[in-house]
Order: sequence, then C-alpha cells, then structure tokens
Amino acid sequence: AQKITQTQPGMFVQEKEAVTLDCTYDTSDPSYGLFWYKQPSSGEMIFLIYQGSYDQQNATEGRYSLNFQKARKSANLVISASQLGDSAMYFCAMREGHKLSFGAGTTVTVRA
Amino acid sequence: GAGVSQSPSNKVTEKGKDVELRCDPISGHTALYWYRQSLGQGLEFLIYFQGNSAPDKSGLPSDRFSAERTGGSVSTLTIQRTQQEDSAVYLCASSFSLNTGELFFGEGSRLTVL
Repeated sequence: AQKITQTQPGMFVQEKEAVTLDCTYDTSDPSYGLFWYKQPSSGEMIFLIYQGSYDQQNATEGRYSLNFQKARKSANLVISASQLGDSAMYFCAMREGHKLSFGAGTTVTVRA
Repeated sequence: GAGVSQSPSNKVTEKGKDVELRCDPISGHTALYWYRQSLGQGLEFLIYFQGNSAPDKSGLPSDRFSAERTGGSVSTLTIQRTQQEDSAVYLCASSFSLNTGELFFGEGSRLTVL
C-alpha cells in the first residue's frame, strides 16, 4: 500500500495566486513527521516545511504553510503569492522512525 | 563546500559492468540515506545508515546492490552487473537529527546503463 499519495500529477497556477498541493498519508504509528520538498529542474531537493504528528498548530515557513488534518490523514501544502521561481516538482514525505517515504510528486507550473 | 557531495555526477556504463557511486555527507551528520529516482518519478528508498548501527537495507532492489559506510562518514553504493533498469538518479542525503526531519540532499549521480 502507498504510504504517501499525491493525486495531482501536474498543476498550473497564475503568478501571485495561491495553490494547494494535496497529500494524504497512511500510518498506524502515532509518532510521525510530514515534510514537503521542492525539486526544480536542476534536480536538487530543497526542504520546505515540516509538521510533527503531535504539533498542535499548522506549520508555516514564509509563503509556505502546511494544512495538517490529522483525522483525515492529510498534509496539504499551500503556496501563497506564487512566483515564477516556484515552478518545480513538489514531493510530500512522511517519516516513520528513521524511514522517510516520498510521494510520486506534483509538478507545478507558474504562469506569468 | 559544506553540503552533501556526490560523485560522479554522471556515469554512463555498459550493461553488465559494475559501478560505484560515492557520497560524502555533511560533517557531523550521523544519518545517511541512499534513494533512487527514475525519470519523472518519486524517490525510492534504498538504504539507511545511522552511526555504528546495522544499516537498514530493506530498500535494496536486488543482491546486485550493496552499500557501505566507512568510518561513519563516506558511503559507497555499488551496483554489480548493471542492467538498463538501473538507469536513474541516485541521491544521497544526510541528517544530524530526524526530529525536525530535514534531510540534506546531494545533487545526485545520474547513471545511464546502455
């Protein structure tokens, strides 16, 4: 079974608008962590944001926020005020113990 | 530099040959991971090292794949008798602590098996 599901293979967003990237996860472990990484066309993996399973508040990092809905097992990434440089592949990942499992990714294309 | 360093950045080999990929993690990082990323796909976990503990090899796809980490620092991923389906980008990542979860990734080694 897939640990991390990203159902949107690709998305287009207008510059300066917000975009939400979906991520659902599957675990029976009460302690886990959720992450989002950005991979531009250059191939590097860039850490964006982290949410712990026991964190009460949604994580935010600048223009990135994580909409954590624990009961629904979802951890959607919201990018506000999109910029052309946000065009990239975005991966949701979950840590259980030491193992970090990644979703298939969502390609975001920001249009001017 | 202070980041995760991987070499070679590109490797083209013939089917059946052995290849070695090297990863030099960030100094002081005790956790080291190898992942594989096929074109346009997500990251596939291969192996995990943590300090002097026994590695988690559960992600290695076959016995042609092996990895070692010498002295708790540099790691080498070896693929024996390469096959065309081994073509991918092999990413190494290291971490000081998993509490915040941030893995620092190298730029990857792109392997092409002809």
